[in-house]
Amino acid sequence: GAGVSQSPSNKVTEKGKDVELRCDPISGHTALYWYRQSLGQGLEFLIYFQGNSAPDKSGLPSDRFSAERTGGSVSTLTIQRTQQEDSAVYLCASSWKGGGETQYFGPGTRLLVL
Amino acid sequence: GENVEQHPSTLSVQEGDSAVIKCTYSDSASNYFPWYKQELGKRPQLIIDIRSNVGEKKDQRIAVTLNKTAKHFSLHITETQPEDSAVYFCAATNNAGNMLTFGGGTRLMVKP
Repeated sequence: GAGVSQSPSNKVTEKGKDVELRCDPISGHTALYWYRQSLGQGLEFLIYFQGNSAPDKSGLPSDRFSAERTGGSVSTLTIQRTQQEDSAVYLCASSWKGGGETQYFGPGTRLLVL
Repeated sequence: GENVEQHPSTLSVQEGDSAVIKCTYSDSASNYFPWYKQELGKRPQLIIDIRSNVGEKKDQRIAVTLNKTAKHFSLHITETQPEDSAVYFCAATNNAGNMLTFGGGTRLMVKP
């Protein structure tokens, strides 16, 4: 079946602009995660959605970052007033449910803020 | 919360040799430990995982061992090949059992 998909694959924006990144999880997966990966670095957790529960936003680096998940499926990560330090690959992952389940990653969105 | 330490950060081996990557975790309640491989410019992909009810799991040239008492687990790759070159991430469930905490990654280079 189809895996996790993300769009756009690449995004170049100017400092101060807002961007929206989209994630389509695997059908039926109730858990969805966003991570940020700077060049050559590890996976930085941003936010976690599980079913209809309130999301875990503990990893969001500032109030410029927000995310929503509509209908328990597609998720959008929004970065307002982008800064150069926001440049990174943003990875989305989904799993059948949270916790001890395999997470399947999307291909990521490479964001460059000029 | 959960803390996962991974060592070494870089590892260079000769083709055919074995490679071992080690991780420690802090939360004794963690019960799921996956390993991901990320090739350059690609997404992380699961290569093997282990649950806390077993001590070792093997899949062809890859094996993972888990020591719950010491709270550490290791990835073993035997007969390494150039295509094993990648960044490897270990992970462990957090204390609430609803998320994974990732180690910092190990860049493995297999020299032909």
